Amino acid sequence: DAGITQSPRYKITETGRQVTLMCHQTWSHSYMFWYRQDLGHGLRLIYYSAAADITDKGEVPDGYVVSRSKTENFPLTLESATRSQTSVYFCASSESTAQETQYFGPGTRLLVL
Amino acid sequence: GDSVTQMEGPVTLSEEAFLTINCTYTATGYPSLFWYVQYPGEGLQLLLKATKADDKGSNKGFEATYRKETTSFHLEKGSVQVSDSAVYFCALSFRPRNQFYFGTGTSLTVIP
Repeated sequence: DAGITQSPRYKITETGRQVTLMCHQTWSHSYMFWYRQDLGHGLRLIYYSAAADITDKGEVPDGYVVSRSKTENFPLTLESATRSQTSVYFCASSESTAQETQYFGPGTRLLVL
Repeated sequence: GDSVTQMEGPVTLSEEAFLTINCTYTATGYPSLFWYVQYPGEGLQLLLKATKADDKGSNKGFEATYRKETTSFHLEKGSVQVSDSAVYFCALSFRPRNQFYFGTGTSLTVIP
């Protein structure tokens, strides 16, 4: 009964490094999402996926890459991390369309030095 | 474009006080509306939702009514408890663009 998990929970990296944040869900939900949470902005959608091998951009996709080779996993990669990508990242999933309730992971706190 | 505006925080209330957190939205159509709650150190979890005009969502003593005429979805609770201290997010989703839009969040602290 793990639900949706994220790893790592905390990460410190340096500018220019590649970082991958992992997200795994055990419900076989079709939709998965990546958000970033910043003070004064609330949550902003980075990317989402409607099914395996189907991904699409959200509001703030620049500097991020996603993939979804398996339904249960949805990793987010920062190809060359920048200080502006310091944030808390949340993964979420929903059973069918995006109008359904989203279930959130516990978040990954990323600091880019 | 679609967006959500919610009242600025932080909000501090005494236990058993009445709570209102305002939320208004802009959308070209008829979105579904949500309130999510985030407790310290955790992810967001759904508090309540409404999918069409005049629907009332309710959960754990919280209520919100989908008002199309005023494009609002205000969150209310008649008597708050210390355990309600959290950050509350209003959100909307709109078929078929498969996008969620969140407000900036309102921090609530309830003091005994």
